[in-house]
Amino acid sequence: GQNIDQPTEMTATEGAIVQINCTYQTSGFNGLFWYQQHAGEAPTFLSYNVLDGLEEKGRFSSFLSRSKGYSYLLLKELQMKDSASYLCATLDSNYQLIWGAGTKLIIKP
Amino acid sequence: GAVVSQHPSRVICKSGTSVKIECRSLDFQATTMFWYRQFPKQSLMLMATSNEGSKATYEQGVEKDKFLINHASLTLSTLTVTSAHPEDSSFYICSARDLDSGGDTGELFFGEGSRLTVL
Repeated sequence: GQNIDQPTEMTATEGAIVQINCTYQTSGFNGLFWYQQHAGEAPTFLSYNVLDGLEEKGRFSSFLSRSKGYSYLLLKELQMKDSASYLCATLDSNYQLIWGAGTKLIIKP
Repeated sequence: GAVVSQHPSRVICKSGTSVKIECRSLDFQATTMFWYRQFPKQSLMLMATSNEGSKATYEQGVEKDKFLINHASLTLSTLTVTSAHPEDSSFYICSARDLDSGGDTGELFFGEGSRLTVL
């Protein structure tokens, strides 16, 4: 079967760093996406990894290990506006997106 | 980045009526668009894959006669919820892949979403 696991909720402090993990088991793999979604809004694209390693984009970085079926999203210098849900999604062998349930990130002052 | 526009953003309708939601790729051509539905506090669920010039591919459990998808051009896909009922109230989101960006798979861009409330 296909399964994506990520923590339901995390709390972090403004200015700190937080890592959101995602593990996956899918039939075929054509890449992994991270999306940010504020309540009541559509998701916005953050990153896409298809090769192993770390992709850095400003305050956000994403890491992928295909052999371990594992990815993480790293957020640095947290700001209050980073409070949102973070969705991990993989592209399977049919190029269909398989979504995780999302991690609700709460930022405290 | 590329822009996907979805309209209307909010719609309220009476039970038994039909509602059409439009999804447009504004600055790129999208041969494939995806329609998702999100119930409160749940993840996005893929409803169907819309292919330009051909029939949509529906996910298991999604009624193709209730959720009509038309992808008549490379920049427009429409989702029509026919004979809507209160249980169809949800957040509907479309996305399109820009094959000219993001390498072989293309980056996925989302519309703003449409919140449907059926009374």
